[in-house]
Amino acid sequence: DGGITQSPKYLFRKEGQNVTLSCEQNLNHDAMYWYRQDPGQGLRLIYYSQIVNDFQKGDIAEGYSVSREKKESFPLTVTSAQKNPTAFYLCASSPIESSYNEQFFGPGTRLTVL
Amino acid sequence: DAKTTQPPSMDCAEGRAANLPCNHSTISGNEYVYWYRQIHSQGPQYIIHGLKNNETNEMASLIITEDRKSSTLILPHATLRDTAVYYCIVRTINAGNNRKLIWGLGTSLAVNP
Repeated sequence: DGGITQSPKYLFRKEGQNVTLSCEQNLNHDAMYWYRQDPGQGLRLIYYSQIVNDFQKGDIAEGYSVSREKKESFPLTVTSAQKNPTAFYLCASSPIESSYNEQFFGPGTRLTVL
Repeated sequence: DAKTTQPPSMDCAEGRAANLPCNHSTISGNEYVYWYRQIHSQGPQYIIHGLKNNETNEMASLIITEDRKSSTLILPHATLRDTAVYYCIVRTINAGNNRKLIWGLGTSLAVNP
């Protein structure tokens, strides 16, 4: 089955620890995205990448880092510099040549920092 | 990208049509209307999009007013599994700028038995 996988579904970390969230896609999409969602809120863009070895900051990139070494993978690291890391994190992908903005989303990772 | 306004919540009886409105009075000529939905604790799912003509697919119908200042997403026979938050987004068609969708708070649709 083609799609986007995120792991783990639930993640707990102690305050001050860095944590890396996984995102893999086998849709052969060029573009990948990371969003954050807080309770009762819409999605906010953290980082996006349109091509391997290149990525751009979104609206709330502070305290996060990403890498795009492979087309299929776009891991997100939540660093200790992120003031409020507890949130629902969503990864998405889309074909860069798409004429419409249909982004395919993974199931999400719910991160709780204790 | 133009701003959208949606009611925060709606109810619908199972088996009836659910009509979800969206206002986008500042939409420009090259902006499309997109609809996504998000079932609780899952990733959003694309539903449908349109420019000025009405559109229909296996999930829903999209009715856009002639002046394009508002639209309605129609779920013709709502089921309990349609309970979700529905997001209306306006966006230009630009593959080179295919990087950001602006997400509002959406409409929380409750389908009741």
